[in-house]
Formats: sequence, structure tokens, C-alpha cells
Amino acid sequence: EVQLLESGGGVVQPGGSLRLSCAASGFIFRDYFMSWVRQAPGKGLEWVSGIRATAGTTYYADSVKGRFTISRDNSKNTLFLEMNSLRAEDTAVYYCTKGGYNYDFDPWGQGTLVTVSS
Amino acid sequence: EIVLTQSPATLSLSPGERATLSCRASQSISSYLAWYQQKPGQAPRLLIYGSFNRATGIPARFSGSGSGTDFTLTISSLEPEDFAVYYCQQRSNWPRTFGQGTKLEIK
Repeated sequence: EVQLLESGGGVVQPGGSLRLSCAASGFIFRDYFMSWVRQAPGKGLEWVSGIRATAGTTYYADSVKGRFTISRDNSKNTLFLEMNSLRAEDTAVYYCTKGGYNYDFDPWGQGTLVTVSS
Repeated sequence: EIVLTQSPATLSLSPGERATLSCRASQSISSYLAWYQQKPGQAPRLLIYGSFNRATGIPARFSGSGSGTDFTLTISSLEPEDFAVYYCQQRSNWPRTFGQGTKLEIK
């Protein structure tokens, strides 16, 4: 069974930083494109970033480009999202999901809440 | 950026009725359209990929159709567990984008 388990969320002040992690199991992690999708409270879904299986080609939404960095450690089956210069509008549940390039987003982790507030 | 517009925003129906949800793309996306279901407090779940293919474990009452710019998700006979929010999403272009969602509520 494919499982994705996010961690690292919390409360951070505007301008601060946070690093999210996603531990993957149940599939050959190094073979798949991976993505982060977020959902602000009471709002819809927004794709944030994606990373290719190998060679690390990355993709970003304009809203986070230059502030967020996606990366992966295929030896540890783990996906990361480094978030800097955080803003109030980055407050959301962040989901880790398999796919986004040749495949759609399936499955999704349970999400981790990031709150940017002073 | 490709904009996906879902309609209606809210759909009020009773169990057993047929639901028809629409998604319109701002430019052609071929068949690179997926549908997701999200229940309160849960992560989204993939229902349909490639416009009309049901994901693993999805009941046959869910069907998708369309290509180019106009897409439809149909639920043939609503079950109580189908009342949720539904999102369409495209992977034709970067950035990947989602529609704003349709809330399917019990009438």
C-alpha cells in the first residue's frame, strides 16, 4: 500500500522559514515525479511545486518561486519542501502527493498545517 | 496559466439522483483532465484521470467525459457518501491548475 506521511508543519512568524518532509513507502520512490499541493483554510487546492524522479528538475508556482525549494532524497524515500520568507498567504495545509508529470496526483498524504502569523 | 472554471459552485441533490458537474478550460488541454473528491477533514482522492478513466477502486457510478475545453463528471445515482467537494485539475501545461471546486450537498 502506498503511504505518504508529511511532517514539519507548525506556526512561524512572517519572514520565517520552515522545512516540510514527506516519508514515502509502498512504491519505488526513485521512479516517480512527486509534488506538493496546498489548501488555505476554507479554500481550494493550489499546486505548489514538483520534482522529477532523478536529475532533480524542479517546477514551481509563481506564488512561491524564489522562496520555496523542493528536493528529494531517493536513498531515504523522502521528499522535502524548504519554505523561506514566509507570508500570511502561505498559511495552508500542505499535501505531499505522488505524480503530477505523466500521472495525476495519486495518492495524497494526510497533510501538514503551516500557519504564518505573528 | 490555464484557468479551469467549474460549475455550478454548489449543487443540491437528493440520494438516488443524477449529478452532473462541469469543468471548462481557458484553452485546449486535450484529455489531460482529472477529477478529485474531497470530504471534510480529508485529503483529496483521485476519481477520474485522462478525462474518462476511473481510478483504482472508484465505483462505476462515477464517469467522466470531454476533451479540449469542456469536461463533465457524472454520478449516475448519488449515494450518501458522495456528498463532498469535487475539483477538476489539468496537467497539460505548467503550472498545474485546479478548478475552484463544486460542493455537492444533500437537498
